[in-house]
Amino acid sequence: SQQGEEDPQALSIQEGENATMNCSYKTSINNLQWYRQNSGRGLVHLILIRSNEREKHSGRLRVTLDTSKKSSSLLITASRAADTASYFCAYNNAGNMLTFGGGTRLMVKP
Amino acid sequence: SAVISQKPSRDICQRGTSLTIQCQVDSQVTMMFWYRQQPGQSLTLIATANQGSEATYESGFVIDKFPISRPNLTFSTLTVSNMSPEDSSIYLCSVRTGGNTEAFFGQGTRLTVV
Repeated sequence: SQQGEEDPQALSIQEGENATMNCSYKTSINNLQWYRQNSGRGLVHLILIRSNEREKHSGRLRVTLDTSKKSSSLLITASRAADTASYFCAYNNAGNMLTFGGGTRLMVKP
Repeated sequence: SAVISQKPSRDICQRGTSLTIQCQVDSQVTMMFWYRQQPGQSLTLIATANQGSEATYESGFVIDKFPISRPNLTFSTLTVSNMSPEDSSIYLCSVRTGGNTEAFFGQGTRLTVV
């Protein structure tokens, strides 16, 4: 499966700052999802945005989707040290298979 | 939602041996997948585990190396056969209930081959 691309690959910020991660993909999609992974453990689903949606919010998370540019962004506002993790986008094109982006390693310094 | 129990959580194995990883889901699910995550990398789909039939493997993965069983809608196993150090990775079980739904993951099996 061809992976999507994420940038930056790594991001280091201070607590309280906002973190923005970007994801690009190459095919048409049904939806795009964002996941979080702590220290190489299982992934936890954060948010799903459908192809006919442009923006979605969940708590301190804001996701945008631009299907014309085949890109999405995840914004974490007022970051906390506990937000330190790897974040992956994943998209669903035809069928039921999820294709994952390369991931962004976020470090939030106290 | 679905709760997935995956075991073992980690193992250190000798090259040439095989390891079987188990994935137990607390509810019946139609779609079950196995992923590999190499060190510092993203997730790569190994195969879709099909209930009662042979798994569907992605390019680069073959049944002889990664045999998969799925006897029912709540359980699956992945075997990593004839292991080499290059197989050192995290292996993850995942389930979905539909194409427009989120995926749920087990906690992963961290495999080190020495």
